[in-house]
Amino acid sequence: SAVISQKPSRDICQRGTSLTIQCQVDSQVTMMFWYRQQPGQSLTLIATANQGSEATYESGFVIDKFPISRPNLTFSTLTVSNMSPEDSSIYLCSVYRVLPPGKLFFGSGTQLSVL
Amino acid sequence: GIQVEQSPPDLILQEGANSTLRCNFSDSVNNLQWFHQNPWGQLINLFYIPSGTKQNGRLSATTVATERYSLLYISSSQTTDSGVYFCAVETSGETSGSRLTFGEGTQLTVNP
Repeated sequence: SAVISQKPSRDICQRGTSLTIQCQVDSQVTMMFWYRQQPGQSLTLIATANQGSEATYESGFVIDKFPISRPNLTFSTLTVSNMSPEDSSIYLCSVYRVLPPGKLFFGSGTQLSVL
Repeated sequence: GIQVEQSPPDLILQEGANSTLRCNFSDSVNNLQWFHQNPWGQLINLFYIPSGTKQNGRLSATTVATERYSLLYISSSQTTDSGVYFCAVETSGETSGSRLTFGEGTQLTVNP
């Protein structure tokens, strides 16, 4: 399975501030995915991060609120900007590996609480 | 978009019992995956199963793509099986790439 390191693992932030979450993968991958899991709910895809191009955002998510960087094939960051309590969630990065094909692997997640 | 429904939403078992979790989806899919989210939030990929049956220890999964459902079997359940089980289906759109859509999950509690 993929080794996906995500940090921070948790943070408590003040309203109006921003937090950048880092995701490091142990091998090169074409696409990296960022998901949000609100308390007690399922996972929702925020955006797909491709190296060398702008991220592709899902409906309901915008670049100004969730800017993403993808400087190389093993690393990505997601920033949660101008936070409000409604942004309190678990944020997860994920990747597909070449082998086994098609299986999605997740990092350990970032538990974000906004006061 | 595609609808993914999981049942039951909640399940409580005694250790040693067997259970079946179901995932229905509303349209054709490229593949289906089952995940377990443990009480600490870590998501583990259990199965990549676009069709047919696979087994991994006490767990097995069956997907009948033509009838748009998948089943996850847990035998001889253990307390460590507790957590939320998600199924996720992959679809491809004309204007978008492939995308995974997650169901709402089944919350499983296994009591000693």
